[in-house]
Amino acid sequence: AQSVTQLDSQVPVFEEAPVELRCNYSSSVSVYLFWYVQYPNQGLQLLLKYLSGSTLVESINGFEAEFNKSQTSFHLRKPSVHISDTAEYFCAVILFSGGYNKLIFGAGTRLAVHP
Amino acid sequence: GAGVSQSPRYKVAKRGQDVALRCDPISGHVSLFWYQQALGQGPEFLTYFQNEAQLDKSGLPSDRFFAERPEGSVSTLKIQRTQQEDSAVYLCASSPSDTQYFGPGTRLTVL
Repeated sequence: AQSVTQLDSQVPVFEEAPVELRCNYSSSVSVYLFWYVQYPNQGLQLLLKYLSGSTLVESINGFEAEFNKSQTSFHLRKPSVHISDTAEYFCAVILFSGGYNKLIFGAGTRLAVHP
Repeated sequence: GAGVSQSPRYKVAKRGQDVALRCDPISGHVSLFWYQQALGQGPEFLTYFQNEAQLDKSGLPSDRFFAERPEGSVSTLKIQRTQQEDSAVYLCASSPSDTQYFGPGTRLTVL
């Protein structure tokens, strides 16, 4: 069975500092991996995804994640965070089931950026 | 274009009441998913539709939960005889292929 582990429930960081949010998955087959962001009182927004090809994927707002098959990881990084990055971040893996794609989510990491 | 919309955004119900939560997916998206997100948790799968067909309802927690999508577009999640443990955010997502696009969710509070 596939599962997703987000190792940190909360990550406090100062503005303009680098940050890494960790995500590990377990799967015996090929996977698609996603990071979603959830701002307070809002729904989930897709941040970036790995489907195939280059193992390093980037978002439009400076986040990047690298798919590491040997370590079964998909950690999210940003070299310099802003106050506006404060949100809950969810890592997810697709579970292929009967021809459709069911997302399995981690428990989430709350990123708190302080001035 | 318009994203996934859900209504109501907030719902307060007394224990034992029935509730209905609506999801309007992105036009043309064949796949529609419902997820339940408890406080402090990641979303958990409830059910899946391909057009009007409900192909997977394995995540529905009890027979009090019922979902439909009669014309392959709008979907309704109904919870009968609500219990306090049903309090959560209910998220709807639609998808054209690999990526799911989420609505803002309905926060259900059962008193």
